[in-house]
Amino acid sequence: QVQLVESGGGVVQPGTSLRLSCAASGFTFSTHAMHWVRQAPGKGLEWAAVIWNDGSKRYYEDSVKGRFSISRDNSKNTLYLQMNSLRVEDTAVYYCARHGGPWGQGTLVTVSS
Amino acid sequence: DVVMTQTPLSLSVTPGQPASISCKSSQSLLHGDGKTYLYWYLQRPGQSPQVLIYELSNRFSGVPDRFSGSGSGTDFTLKISRVEAEDVGIYYCMQTMHLPYNFGQGTTLEIK
Repeated sequence: QVQLVESGGGVVQPGTSLRLSCAASGFTFSTHAMHWVRQAPGKGLEWAAVIWNDGSKRYYEDSVKGRFSISRDNSKNTLYLQMNSLRVEDTAVYYCARHGGPWGQGTLVTVSS
Repeated sequence: DVVMTQTPLSLSVTPGQPASISCKSSQSLLHGDGKTYLYWYLQRPGQSPQVLIYELSNRFSGVPDRFSGSGSGTDFTLKISRVEAEDVGIYYCMQTMHLPYNFGQGTTLEIK
């Protein structure tokens, strides 16, 4: 069955970097656009970034533009989110999602001094 | 940016009764390819969101047929024909027609 497993979350200080990974299985990864969606503690869902199936196009939500970079390795069935210049307000559970579903279980990123 | 507005923000339903959630977008979600890029998700307590409906009215694999999506253009509805206890959680609509993509505020469904 389709499975998405995120990893790479943790506790980091403001201004530092972190890279999230999402391992995909159970479907043809290279034929699907992929998203990162985040959810701050006790808050709603916030779309962060999308990458086309072949990596040719990438788009970002304004608050992460210029700091986050979405990428993928179709040979490894893996999606990435490079997060630089992290801010306290980036604290959230980050979900990897195949376009149209499903989603992974999420990985928690905590940015705190 | 497109604004997604859900109503109501919360509802309490007796098991076996129907429920309906509205989602309105500030711009049309109808694409030139004929598809409407509107999705519905359910986030059960302590779980990650799961897709219920994709592209307006298509049930995702494994979703019970008591869930249905309808609407057009800018007005959309998720209907649950007979609410069950497992339907508790927060329901979100999402649009992927216009960048940046975004979600409604969420509607919390509880059981009476």
